[in-house]
Amino acid sequence: DAKTTQPPSMDCAEGRAANLPCNHSTISGNEYVYWYRQIHSQGPQYIIHGLKNNETNEMASLIITEDRKSSTLILPHATLRDTAVYYCIVRVAGGNKLVFGAGTILRVKS
Amino acid sequence: GAVVSQHPSWVICKSGTSVKIECRSLDFQATTMFWYRQFPKQSLMLMATSNEGSKATYEQGVEKDKFLINHASLTLSTLTVTSAHPEDSSFYICSAGLVGGSTDTQYFGPGTRLTVL
Repeated sequence: DAKTTQPPSMDCAEGRAANLPCNHSTISGNEYVYWYRQIHSQGPQYIIHGLKNNETNEMASLIITEDRKSSTLILPHATLRDTAVYYCIVRVAGGNKLVFGAGTILRVKS
Repeated sequence: GAVVSQHPSWVICKSGTSVKIECRSLDFQATTMFWYRQFPKQSLMLMATSNEGSKATYEQGVEKDKFLINHASLTLSTLTVTSAHPEDSSFYICSAGLVGGSTDTQYFGPGTRLTVL
C-alpha cells in the first residue's frame, strides 16, 4: 500500500472549517484513500473514503486531486469534540490491513 | 450501524496470568477481523488478521503462541494474552471489516486497556 504524508499538527478555530491535507504521491489506480480519527483513549472512528471522486457524508468531505496524489479532509464546522488525531490511509480494497502512520493532531480551539 | 464492541474495556492482571479480550461486530457479520496494539503516544500497530474458521495471520515480530486469536464465528473474535508480563501492558483494539459496494471498511472497537502488574 502507498505511503501517506501528513502534517504532524494543526490548529483550527471552533466553528471554522478544518482542512487536513494528505500527500499520497505513490498511490496506485486501485487504492482507496481512507480517513479515520482517534479521540484520546478511544478506538479509531471511520470518517470517509474515496477512490477518485470527491465524497461527502454527514461527518466530512473528501477532496481528491485529479492526479490522485493528494487529498484534503474537510470538517465544515469544527467543534471542540473534533479535537483528535486524524489518519489518512491508502489501501487496496478487499480486506487488506490498514497501516497507520503518525497522523495529524487537530486541535480545535474556542 | 457498523458497531464493534470489546470486552472488557479495561483489565488489570498479575504477571504470569492470561487475559482474554473479546471483539464483537454487533450489527454485521465480519469474515475478517483485525487486532491492533497501541503504546502511549504511538500509532496503532497491527498484530494479526483473524479470518473466521481459519488460523490467524500474524505480523512479523508478533508471537503467535503468546497472543492467541480465535475467530469462531462471523461476529466474534477473541485475543488471549498468555502469561502476560508488564511489557504487554498496552491498549488493544480490534476492528471488523464490513463489505459494501466495491470496497470494504474497517470499523473499530473502543479498545481494551491492559495493565499487567
